[in-house]
Amino acid sequence: KAGVTQTPRYLIKTRGQQVTLSCSPISGHRSVSWYQQTPGQGLQFLFEYFSETQRNKGNFPGRFSGRQFSNSRSEMNVSTLELGDSALYLCASSLFTGRETQYFGPGTRLLVL
Amino acid sequence: TQLLEQSPQFLSIQEGENLTVYCNSSSVFSSLQWYRQEPGEGPVLLVTVVTGGEVKKLKRLTFQFGDARKDSSLHITAAQPGDTGLYLCAGRFGGGSQGNLIFGKGTKLSVKP
Repeated sequence: KAGVTQTPRYLIKTRGQQVTLSCSPISGHRSVSWYQQTPGQGLQFLFEYFSETQRNKGNFPGRFSGRQFSNSRSEMNVSTLELGDSALYLCASSLFTGRETQYFGPGTRLLVL
Repeated sequence: TQLLEQSPQFLSIQEGENLTVYCNSSSVFSSLQWYRQEPGEGPVLLVTVVTGGEVKKLKRLTFQFGDARKDSSLHITAAQPGDTGLYLCAGRFGGGSQGNLIFGKGTKLSVKP
């Protein structure tokens, strides 16, 4: 069974631009969560989607948004990029929401110049 | 605000040595997970502990959940270069959403041959 895939793997953007990251969960998984990982703050929860509905949202500004499609694939968007948005963005999928084991993708490394 | 503190932040040891990594919080968690993350990859779940005082073993790795479910430790016996990576603990403080999983900042382990 294929794992979680994320595209692109690496991205360089400039301040003020916007970016869209994509995540394809493990086949059959219906929950997708997004995390931001930085050396200073560690892994921080962005949001979780289950059956195309946002179930929970972390403490991030409204510039960060996401959505989930009927095939469970998910995208996250960051508008008006800031230097501090440089991070590894991780996607994780699980069968259902709640306490289910999550499986992480390799991440998208975003560099904002 | 639930916080998980991990110590030490960095650990560099020689092959064959033993080590212990700690994860502490002032909050009680319903369960606690340990992950290992290698460079360029997402975190991979090693173990989940649920019951206070629980001890789980995974080959040379021993995981313990504190009696009060506020702390946990990971002990590695006879470390090998393949154990190199970032070790993350994550505490769950409720059900209902993956957003209720809080990650520590991690311990970066380097095992030199």
